[in-house]
Amino acid sequence: EAGVTQSPTHLIKTRGQQATLRCSPISGHTSVYWYQQALGLGLQFLLWYDEGEERNRGNFPPRFSGRQFPNYSSELNVNALELEDSALYLCASSLFGQHSNQPQHFGDGTRLSIL
Amino acid sequence: AQSVAQPEDQVNVAEGNPLTVKCTYSVSGNPYLFWYVQYPNRGLQFLLKYITGDNLVKGSYGFEAEFNKSQTSFHLKKPSALVSDSALYFCAVRDQSGTALIFGKGTTLSVSS
Repeated sequence: EAGVTQSPTHLIKTRGQQATLRCSPISGHTSVYWYQQALGLGLQFLLWYDEGEERNRGNFPPRFSGRQFPNYSSELNVNALELEDSALYLCASSLFGQHSNQPQHFGDGTRLSIL
Repeated sequence: AQSVAQPEDQVNVAEGNPLTVKCTYSVSGNPYLFWYVQYPNRGLQFLLKYITGDNLVKGSYGFEAEFNKSQTSFHLKKPSALVSDSALYFCAVRDQSGTALIFGKGTTLSVSS
């Protein structure tokens, strides 16, 4: 079975620009999660989408947003990019969402670099 | 608030020796606990989980973990380390909302030949 796929692999932007990151979940998974892995800050939860709706958000400003499409793929948008947004952005999917005992399966991430 | 602690930044072990990567947690209620591994320039790979039941959980690649409720620990173990086990290991707990994972800061495992 195909795993979680993310694109692009790398993305280079300048301050103030907007970035769009994409994620395709494992077939049959309806929940998609986004995490940020920044140097020195570890892995932090960004957003959870399920059945096309944003269900939960981590402690990030509103310029981090996204959506989930009818085929359960997802986009993460980051507006007004700042230097500290440089990080590896990981997408994960799972079979069920809230209170599920199913593990989240991760893609290989998008490396976002802000110049 | 839920939290996870990995007290060691790095663990060094010789190939063939047993390895332990430590994790302690703080949750309200019953914990859902996970271990993941990350190789360079890759995402996280799921190793194993504890939800309920047996305190010794077996996972992928010969790894296992022992859940200890009284010590609030969930240590990752392997009887015989391989050089290819060298990677970054994360312990995680599902948060109170039952959705997001809260990760420890990670432990780098280095296995020497």
